[in-house]
Amino acid sequence: ETGVTQTPRHLVMGMTNKKSLKCEQHLGHNAMYWYKQSAKKPLELMFVYSLEERVENNSVPSRFSPECPNSSHLFLHLHTLQPEDSALYLCASSQESYYTQYFGPGTRLTVL
Amino acid sequence: GENVEQHPSTLSVQEGDSAVIKCTYSDSASNYFPWYKQELGKRPQLIIDIRSNVGEKKDQRIAVTLNKTAKHFSLHITETQPEDSAVYFCAAPSGNTPLVFGKGTRLSVIA
Repeated sequence: ETGVTQTPRHLVMGMTNKKSLKCEQHLGHNAMYWYKQSAKKPLELMFVYSLEERVENNSVPSRFSPECPNSSHLFLHLHTLQPEDSALYLCASSQESYYTQYFGPGTRLTVL
Repeated sequence: GENVEQHPSTLSVQEGDSAVIKCTYSDSASNYFPWYKQELGKRPQLIIDIRSNVGEKKDQRIAVTLNKTAKHFSLHITETQPEDSAVYFCAAPSGNTPLVFGKGTRLSVIA
């Protein structure tokens, strides 16, 4: 349960705010992911980092900006979000890309 | 584009009965098929996975079957218990995407 951690667990922000989500993995993995989970859609992949390099960007709006300073940490910087961005944001990691992914507990984001 | 279709979206079974969830995929190169269980308010957790070199894998009351020719795989839960109630997701690699997830199946086990 503590292999992948995320902070904060809950976040409420206005549309003009800037905030960041943090993910940390303690599993020695080389790949990390950001997913968005909302009631309307399944787990949507947003970004993939492998060995600290971004390898996938699924046409995510520029108001979401990822950062991966090392293989254990992943950030998602948020600015000028919209109410429809309210969702559960999940981080995951895997040994390599295309291996089993392990999820963090998620950050429940509400945009007012 | 490449996707993973999952059915049914909701499933209710009596305690002790079996539950089956099916997924189809489109990328014939896919070779890894995990299943995740997500309880209310919790993270998705891997419960079983299968690779393309085998047709079936079992772990106690849970089994997964794979038909590569038809490009579908299924989750089987036998002797269901109330604690099996959750949302179940299938997934498969697709092109450059490590995993594409199905839309989920909400399983309710009625005591």
